[in-house]
Amino acid sequence: SQQGEEDPQALSIQEGENATMNCSYKTSINNLQWYRQNSGRGLVHLILIRSNEREKHSGRLRVTLDTSKKSSSLLITASRAADTASYFCATEETSGSRLTFGEGTQLTVNP
Amino acid sequence: NAGVTQTPKFQVLKTGQSMTLQCAQDMNHNSMYWYRQDPGMGLRLIYYSASEGTTDKGEVPNGYNVSRLNKREFSLRLESAAPSQTSVYFCANRGGGAGDTEAFFGQGTRLTVV
Repeated sequence: SQQGEEDPQALSIQEGENATMNCSYKTSINNLQWYRQNSGRGLVHLILIRSNEREKHSGRLRVTLDTSKKSSSLLITASRAADTASYFCATEETSGSRLTFGEGTQLTVNP
Repeated sequence: NAGVTQTPKFQVLKTGQSMTLQCAQDMNHNSMYWYRQDPGMGLRLIYYSASEGTTDKGEVPNGYNVSRLNKREFSLRLESAAPSQTSVYFCANRGGGAGDTEAFFGQGTRLTVV
């Protein structure tokens, strides 16, 4: 099974609302990253949070990390239709360069 | 700068045929990765290479081989393609060794095995 599990699998909201996605993982990590994928395209990096950090912000993005629960959340505030995409968490394990992904959340923002 | 370039973009193979997916980077990054993504699914790690000359198995290595002959290129080979290998394949790279760096992805290779 994959390292990361995300929920919900799909999320549909109205423009202007906030979107929250959660990620759980299994092993010890150096950092956790969030990526976005538009349909049929490659992934684009959004934000990285290190294992010794608890919260990080970047524009409309807020990420939290709880290493005791092996979980993270991504909050997108004031969502826009252009935020419609799939969002994936990825973890870099402490054992080295291995980078593994969760199964993703499909976000739909309705105008 | 092209970043991460994958070739080909599309490929149709017959069961049992072999092929090599090519990935090249111009970012001078140490680590390179091959993932597969099935419809509606996340990315599963096939193989990765932490540095030139080294490779390691990921989550789903069976049926694949890789080669990292130089820092720039990381190829994925299917020796005898099977319909279960129908997928979109992504190559990615990351700077440095381990630690605190983002991955950059190619645009993917869509492979269909009939």
